[in-house]
Amino acid sequence: SAVISQKPSRDICQRGTSLTIQCQVDSQVTMMFWYRQQPGQSLTLIATANQGSEATYESGFVIDKFPISRPNLTFSTLTVSNMSPEDSSIYLCSAQGRYEKLFFGSGTQLSVL
Amino acid sequence: GQQLNQSPQSMFIQEGEDVSMNCTSSSIFNTWLWYKQDPGEGPVLLIALYKAGELTSNGRLTAQFGITRKDSFLNISASIPSDVGIYFCAGQPTEGAQKLVFGQGTRLTINP
Repeated sequence: SAVISQKPSRDICQRGTSLTIQCQVDSQVTMMFWYRQQPGQSLTLIATANQGSEATYESGFVIDKFPISRPNLTFSTLTVSNMSPEDSSIYLCSAQGRYEKLFFGSGTQLSVL
Repeated sequence: GQQLNQSPQSMFIQEGEDVSMNCTSSSIFNTWLWYKQDPGEGPVLLIALYKAGELTSNGRLTAQFGITRKDSFLNISASIPSDVGIYFCAGQPTEGAQKLVFGQGTRLTINP
């Protein structure tokens, strides 16, 4: 099955800065998604990363705060902008292929001071 | 929106015991998935269910897609220490829908 490499695996950032998380899949996939998992919580979908066009954001998430790129079928980035301590979470990249159910990267553990 | 109610939220068991957890919804789902998340890792797919009434096993794990299409359960037999983690159910609400709905998770702790 396909594998997702996500980096960084963890980071500690200062309030007001931005962090870009990279997600690379080792094969072409049809769909890529970004999830947030707050401490002790379930997974919340941030957006669907659309190849070659603007991402589709879920309610409560906006492009200015979480800009997303997906230049091709195997790569996507999520930026967490102007961070505050409330942004401290695990951010997960996921993908779905034509014959594969949703699978995940190992996540980025973000702490904002 | 559609929600999944997963229970129990946490379980503390002895090694060797069997485990059962379930997810229910007021809405119909076309696919049920069960994931396990280890600390510091992303969720890993354990079992996928596609038809109402379907019963599927993966080693010591067994999951069923409820007849009403509104529920699913996951059983783990003869638990071992590596079963520790958080288990999530997820449902695909409509045919071809790309977005999954996730349950709140069941945290499994095993006493050796």
